[in-house]
Amino acid sequence: DADVTQTPRNRITKTGKRIMLECSQTKGHDRMYWYRQDPGLGLRLIYYSFDVKDINKGEISDGYSVSRQAQAKFSLSLESAIPNQTALYFCATAARDRDTDTQYFGPGTRLTVL
Amino acid sequence: EDQVTQSPEALRLQEGESSSLNCSYTVSGLRGLFWYRQDPGKGPEFLFTLYSAGEEKEKERLKATLTKKESFLHITAPKPEDSATYLCAVQAWTGNQFYFGTGTSLTVIP
Repeated sequence: DADVTQTPRNRITKTGKRIMLECSQTKGHDRMYWYRQDPGLGLRLIYYSFDVKDINKGEISDGYSVSRQAQAKFSLSLESAIPNQTALYFCATAARDRDTDTQYFGPGTRLTVL
Repeated sequence: EDQVTQSPEALRLQEGESSSLNCSYTVSGLRGLFWYRQDPGKGPEFLFTLYSAGEEKEKERLKATLTKKESFLHITAPKPEDSATYLCAVQAWTGNQFYFGTGTSLTVIP
């Protein structure tokens, strides 16, 4: 079984709809992240969480919200989806390795907003 | 401003033709530099972490090196299964965020 799972894997929705992307991990890591990937722009950080009570905004948090329901679960919500939120979304977890954090990524969710 | 630039954007190699991918970075105190491999439609797969200038790491046909301004991913005698996009990322001592480059798309032709 995969260590980091994301659901759904593909989602097509309409402008204005609220949607939730879910991430679960069995790696036992405290740190979890949400990224989006767009062609030519690379991976950009949306939100990150170091434990259940710690949530931080990333580079591009506007239009998104998150919930850390448990150590193993981190959800990303789009309150009112818009077409420029069409992208590939990745969840990642991180383990402290020496003085840095090694990230491990899920398989991604392809989101299309019409 | 912390930045990561990868070059070239795309690289086509014949099977067995060795080459290098470049990752240039500007960061206020490097905490770690990471290399990932990403196959189409999949999540990035962790390859290496480098912590300080002069450090090298190897895995099969891949070797990553680090200087104070850039990192190289050397690919020796590549095979078609090495075809993928290779991503570089850095983490600085200030703040907890990671900064990713846009990747190098590698195609190895049989």
